[in-house]
Amino acid sequence: DTGVSQNPRHKITKRGQNVTFRCDPISEHNRLYWYRQTLGQGPEFLTYFQNEAQLEKSRLLSDRFSAERPKGSFSTLEIQRTEQGDSAMYLCASSPAMNEKLFFGSGTQLSVL
Amino acid sequence: DQQVKQNSPSLSVQEGRISILNCDYTNSMFDYFLWYKKYPAEGPTFLISISSIKDKNEDGRFTVFLNKSAKHLSLHIVPSQPGDSAVYFCAASLKGGGSNYKLTFGKGTLLTVNP
Repeated sequence: DTGVSQNPRHKITKRGQNVTFRCDPISEHNRLYWYRQTLGQGPEFLTYFQNEAQLEKSRLLSDRFSAERPKGSFSTLEIQRTEQGDSAMYLCASSPAMNEKLFFGSGTQLSVL
Repeated sequence: DQQVKQNSPSLSVQEGRISILNCDYTNSMFDYFLWYKKYPAEGPTFLISISSIKDKNEDGRFTVFLNKSAKHLSLHIVPSQPGDSAVYFCAASLKGGGSNYKLTFGKGTLLTVNP
């Protein structure tokens, strides 16, 4: 069991640049989630995939954010035209079918200067 | 509007004593509750959970109690150990129409266990 893997661990970018994060879930898990955590807050739900289908998106996910999960395996989260308010820890989680327990990766810490 | 609330940002206890972390929720549709532990620079790690049909669940040193009428749950750690020092998040699950087990988290409580 290799766990949920996220890359990169840290990303520093300038405002206005585009960034892309990758998540590799636990191999047999068909559900994949993206969360965002800012300082002093708990993780906040962004979006959810079941296999390759994106089934739910939070209102937190503006038009500058897009997530994909081609072939139902790894997922990418892209942020276009980054803003300083996008600075946060972006967490990916996966779970098997019919299981409430989410397994989280170590996250990608984004800093927008 | 915070649906899951952890009103104590921090808690400090002595090694060997009991740690009690509290959590309140407002959405009566929540039917599954979880506690996660988070160390710095790591993702949250699942600790223990409880279904709304139960009022207590135990796993070793960790026990979670659920009071549905009060919309309150608590995590008890006995005995507390220095390695338990971490941020503890309470989370609640609301089953969507497509069995989406989306978790709603509280803000967390920083537990410090002093040797």
